[in-house]
Amino acid sequence: GAVVSQHPSWVICKSGTSVKIECRSLDFQATTMFWYRQFPKQSLMLMATSNEGSKATYEQGVEKDKFLINHASLTLSTLTVTSAHPEDSSFYICSAGSSSGRGASYEQYFGPGTRLTVT
Amino acid sequence: GQSLEQPSEVTAVEGAIVQINCTYQTSGFYGLSWYQQHDGGAPTFLSYNALDGLEETGRFSSFLSRSDSYGYLLLQELQMKDSASYFCAVWGGNMLTFGGGTRLMVKP
Repeated sequence: GAVVSQHPSWVICKSGTSVKIECRSLDFQATTMFWYRQFPKQSLMLMATSNEGSKATYEQGVEKDKFLINHASLTLSTLTVTSAHPEDSSFYICSAGSSSGRGASYEQYFGPGTRLTVT
Repeated sequence: GQSLEQPSEVTAVEGAIVQINCTYQTSGFYGLSWYQQHDGGAPTFLSYNALDGLEETGRFSSFLSRSDSYGYLLLQELQMKDSASYFCAVWGGNMLTFGGGTRLMVKP
């Protein structure tokens, strides 16, 4: 199956700093990737849809100036959490669909996630 | 908008059969997916139903009734490794919307 990687797998940062998370599709191209946030024992909440070569589409309630998304190529999307605060501590997961769907598919392949802790 | 309801927790013993139900209300519906997530891990795709009926894949089966806006995941011959969270998700054509997840605990 398709492989999606994320880096870093975990990060601890101080309040007020910015953190960049990378999501890569390793063996397929994806015009669309999705970014989710998951708090402990809760569901995955879609934050934004990342579109290659265009602006991301953010879900209601997600601050686009705080969570910067860049989808510079067909295999890489990045999420930057700017001026992080303790309440941003969470598990951030990206996903992409299969190459046949160019990223948008009911069968999403998820990255391993990035656990962010803001102190 | 989309909303999905599933039980928060289910407990069963090894070797048993368990059914996890999911009801949904959506403005756009293409199909229902199921994902498994172990603690600390990423969700993995289990199944997808676009049409009414039962889809079987090994020990796991998934069912959909579009007229009832209802589906379920059936896990047979439960194993300890099946202890995980299971999420139903509606595919709306351009994004997945996840239910709250069902935490399955398999006991010896």
